[in-house]
Amino acid sequence: GDSVTQKQGQVTLSEDDFLFINCTYSTTTYPTLFWYVQYPGQGPQLLLKVTTANNKGISRGFEATYDKGTTSFHLQKASVQESDSAVYFCALVYDTNAYKVIFGKGTHLHVLP
Amino acid sequence: DAGVTQTPRHEVAEKGQTIILKCEPVSGHNDLFWYRQTKIQGLELLSYFRSKSLMEDGGAFKDRFKAEMLNSSFSTLKIQPTEPKDSAVYLCASSLKGAHEQYFGPGTRLTVL
Repeated sequence: GDSVTQKQGQVTLSEDDFLFINCTYSTTTYPTLFWYVQYPGQGPQLLLKVTTANNKGISRGFEATYDKGTTSFHLQKASVQESDSAVYFCALVYDTNAYKVIFGKGTHLHVLP
Repeated sequence: DAGVTQTPRHEVAEKGQTIILKCEPVSGHNDLFWYRQTKIQGLELLSYFRSKSLMEDGGAFKDRFKAEMLNSSFSTLKIQPTEPKDSAVYLCASSLKGAHEQYFGPGTRLTVL
């Protein structure tokens, strides 16, 4: 079935480090892909979204490229700040008529000052 | 604009009690979702409403979990009877019909003793 895999449960970095969070997906369709971010005490909020293969989503210094060939949507940021500490969820909707969002298990990013 | 509102923010219940969680979606949104969030399982869909009609009632959660939309701007999630394994954060989200981007509330943290 449709699924999203985030292998990293936790990532610890120092400020100004490069961030890379791995996300791969499995579906027989052409999904829309998302990254959501959840700060402590809040619900998840949309960080970025890409609907078309080979396109890149960019938001608040974060970017992710929809790679249909490797079925990946890794999240990157050149230089993290302490305020980026949060849980990041990769997610997909498997087609435009579907309502269900398939979420990954999340990656907890801890940025040290 | 007001986001998704959830009350209460915290709830403590004894095993066997009935609890009711409340959600007010973003004004004008047609779709409403209830999720359960735990560290082990991540985000699990409990219920989905479109224009107040129940479209999915979460399969395995059917027996003790009941979500209702009393009107387009108010939804409840009843858990009856509660069990310790129900301890989790319960999130409500809404979206425009077919938009896929979901707007989450801050969640209700439920502890069942």
